[in-house]
Amino acid sequence: KQEVTQIPAALSVPEGENLVLNCSFTDSAIYNLQWFRQDPGKGLTSLLLIQSSQREQTSGRLNASLDKSSGRSTLYIAASQPGDSATYLCAVPPYNFNKFYFGSGTKLNVKP
Amino acid sequence: GAVVSQHPSRVICKSGTSVKIECRSLDFQATTMFWYRQFPKKSLMLMATSNEGSKATYEQGVEKDKFLINHASLTLSTLTVTSAHPEDSSFYICSARSGTRSARGEQFFGPGTRLTVL
Repeated sequence: KQEVTQIPAALSVPEGENLVLNCSFTDSAIYNLQWFRQDPGKGLTSLLLIQSSQREQTSGRLNASLDKSSGRSTLYIAASQPGDSATYLCAVPPYNFNKFYFGSGTKLNVKP
Repeated sequence: GAVVSQHPSRVICKSGTSVKIECRSLDFQATTMFWYRQFPKKSLMLMATSNEGSKATYEQGVEKDKFLINHASLTLSTLTVTSAHPEDSSFYICSARSGTRSARGEQFFGPGTRLTVL
């Protein structure tokens, strides 16, 4: 069974800092990897999707990398802002896409 | 594009009653929809996967008779919590996968439904 781990569980940084969130998975037979953001009491917002054949994706201040062979992905946030405060989740589906495995999330707090 | 809605956003009900939650894909056809449950400060737990026109596939430990899932059309799936108990109180989130975007395998999530059973 696929296991997805996110480190750290929580992170507090001052505004303006660059930061890295980590996601690791045990089974490299993945279809893609998706990073999401969840605000308290809300649903999930898709941030970036990396196909299994890709190594990274960028959107604005966000950059996600994928190293499938080592079972790792990182989400890099540049010049963090208080509005970035949320829980960040990574998720992977297998090739047959019969389910979606989520990490437990990293709760980010960016202090003004 | 790729918007998924859920209704209601919040519901409070008495123990023993049934509650229906709707999940709709507003601007695309969803061949597959997923239902998740999220406990406070925890990650999402997949409850079941539903494909349009066929029976849902439930995850181990999820009671089929308690959590009824119907995916009657390509834009609508419903989750009915039958004979609700206080322990069913949770945040329920649906997601949808587009048939036309299946090459990317992207999932789009609804805003969630907060269920409180008194």
